[in-house]
Amino acid sequence: QSVLTQPPSVSAAPGQKVTISCSGSSSNIGNNYVSWYQQFPGTAPKLLIYDDYKRFSGIPDRFSGSKSGTSATLGIIGLQTGDEADYYCATWDSSLTAVIFGGGTKLTVL
Amino acid sequence: QLQLRESGPGLGKASETLSLTCTVSGGSIRSSTYYWGWIRQPPGKGLEWIGSVFVGGGAYYSPSLRGRVTISVDTSQNQFSLKLNSVTAADTAVYYCAGLDFWNGNHIRSVDYWGQGTLVTVPS
Repeated sequence: QSVLTQPPSVSAAPGQKVTISCSGSSSNIGNNYVSWYQQFPGTAPKLLIYDDYKRFSGIPDRFSGSKSGTSATLGIIGLQTGDEADYYCATWDSSLTAVIFGGGTKLTVL
Repeated sequence: QLQLRESGPGLGKASETLSLTCTVSGGSIRSSTYYWGWIRQPPGKGLEWIGSVFVGGGAYYSPSLRGRVTISVDTSQNQFSLKLNSVTAADTAVYYCAGLDFWNGNHIRSVDYWGQGTLVTVPS
């Protein structure tokens, strides 16, 4: 069971918007930076968002990140079938002195 | 642009040591400002951070694996390595080597670079 909680799955229609939540605590999200990753089946994850809201090099502005207190959110607008993937949040946990990942969310674009 | 590539046996043996190496190209592992580490993913499951080390000193390991894992750096070969002792079938996973950005000394902020991953199977 992950320290960071994500919904197992989300879905939306092409062209629509979706949000993926990531809930933690003061020892992790509340006081450290959150990053988000996209992973297609059989491939390595790819960094999308770092420092809570900054887009990594080459990431389109359809992807956004935000954080409030001990929760973070990944937003994707203008959904495309090519966005179907697993999405993970991650952060540092100061109590564990460890990197922690959320359990992952499978995005389906209907 | 850094590139990372894992190498090592794809088949492990229960109770023995799993050893993997990551070769970094496109930049010097010595001069970089990244932590170097390993992340694994059991088949059909999520990502699990194993540990990270910094060339200038400092190593951090997953609490669940501490005591079984060692990550070391060979700057002469521009490589870093993972050793995981006493493996069991539960250690079967795709293992990724990674370059991790950080702040405040040791707080990892993101995993910027990933290897392609290598599947290691430990039969039960």
